[in-house]
Amino acid sequence: DAKTTQPNSMESNEEEPVHLPCNHSTISGTDYIHWYRQLPSQGPEYVIHGLTSNVNNRMASLAIAEDRKSSTLILHRATLRDAAVYYCILRRLTGTYKYIFGTGTRLKVLA
Amino acid sequence: DVKVTQSSRYLVKRTGEKVFLECVQDMDHENMFWYRQDPGLGLRLIYFSYDVKMKEKGDIPEGYSVSREKKERFSLILESASTNQTSMYLCASSLPIYRGTYEQYFGPGTRLTVT
Repeated sequence: DAKTTQPNSMESNEEEPVHLPCNHSTISGTDYIHWYRQLPSQGPEYVIHGLTSNVNNRMASLAIAEDRKSSTLILHRATLRDAAVYYCILRRLTGTYKYIFGTGTRLKVLA
Repeated sequence: DVKVTQSSRYLVKRTGEKVFLECVQDMDHENMFWYRQDPGLGLRLIYFSYDVKMKEKGDIPEGYSVSREKKERFSLILESASTNQTSMYLCASSLPIYRGTYEQYFGPGTRLTVT
């Protein structure tokens, strides 16, 4: 199964943009890229997903490399509430319906 | 709002006990999942169910079984708990692929300690 690689941790100052990278060099053509985040003492929550094109929603933006071997989650203005573990996940479109979770990036936001 | 609830936030059981973890969702989702989360290993899929009485093994099904008798409820069963099953257990639900959405909704988790 395709895997994702993320830095273990990152820091950002409050109100500044944050770019969270993810490598997925073995991604297949039908794998969707999903991002979830897990706030302390909670289950993961959906952030954004995409296939080939960059995506924007109210929470974040997702930039996908042209070769799809990497992607970047962009938080435009980090707040203290954004401190969480961010997971970059591949989801296979056909066959077994499952997510492949990596170990995630712990984001620390400094006031 | 979608709500996924799990029967306990914390649970302590003894080795060899039979353990039931219950999960209930209130959004009529067809798919339900059980994961375990361990430090350094992330989330790993144990089992998932795409319909009542239907189930498929995930990546680490050994030592676990599941039951889905009603659409809203998905139970994880540890037939004989062992210390290596001490972990955080997370339940999730989602609509099926053909409905065009991909978001999984997670419960708050059950931290199980087996002594």
